[in-house]
Amino acid sequence: AQTVTQSQPEMSVQEAETVTLSCTYDTSESDYYLFWYKQPPSRQMILVIRQEAYKQQNATENRFSVNFQKAAKSFSLKISDSQLGDAAMYFCAYRSADSGNTPLVFGKGTRLSVIA
Amino acid sequence: KAGVTQTPRYLIKTRGQQVTLSCSPISGHRSVSWYQQTPGQGLQFLFEYFSETQRNKGNFPGRFSGRQFSNSRSEMNVSTLELGDSALYLCASSSGSVGIRGYTFGSGTRLTVV
Repeated sequence: AQTVTQSQPEMSVQEAETVTLSCTYDTSESDYYLFWYKQPPSRQMILVIRQEAYKQQNATENRFSVNFQKAAKSFSLKISDSQLGDAAMYFCAYRSADSGNTPLVFGKGTRLSVIA
Repeated sequence: KAGVTQTPRYLIKTRGQQVTLSCSPISGHRSVSWYQQTPGQGLQFLFEYFSETQRNKGNFPGRFSGRQFSNSRSEMNVSTLELGDSALYLCASSSGSVGIRGYTFGSGTRLTVV
C-alpha cells in the first residue's frame, strides 16, 4: 500500500520569506498524481498544486511551486513571499493513476505559521 | 459555481445513537468520497461513490455506511455511535472517474459523540 510521510509536524516562516515543506511517499507504481492541499481554520481543504508523475517539469501556481524528484520519491512544496493568509495545515496526498479508483492517501500534515 | 456542501456543520450525538451526514457535490461531479479526520489518525478514507455505486471502501467497521443518489448527492450513516467516532467528516467530489484533476472538498461536518 502507498504511504505518504510529512516529516515536519510544524513549520514557521517570516512574512515575505520562503519556506519549503517536505513530503516523501512510497509506491511501486510508475504512474500517479501528487497533490498539496491547504486546510485553514475554516476546515475546507483547498487544492494548492498538483503534479503528474509522468511529467518531469515541476508544477507552479503563482507563489507555490514543487520540487518533484521521482527517483527519490520526494515532493516538496515551496511557498515564496509568504503571506499571513498562508498560515494553515498543509497536506501532501498521493493518488494512483490506475483505473481501480484507489483513493487519495494523505500524509499527517504540516502546520505552517506565518510570523508578521 | 457552488462548491461542495456538507450538512450539518456541527453535530452532537450520544453514544449508541446513529447519525446521517449529507454531501452535495459540485454540479456535474459524479464522484463523491468521504474521509474521517482526527488529530491522532489524520485523514482516513471511508468510501467512494461514482454514479450511485460504491467503488472503494476503507478499513472501517460495518457501522459506517453510505449511499449516493441519482443526483450525485451522497449520505453517510454511522450507527451505534462510539466516543471514538468523534471527528471531522469531509466529503470531496471530482469530475472525472479517476479524479486526476484533484478533488474539491467541503467544509466538513464536525461530529462530537458524548
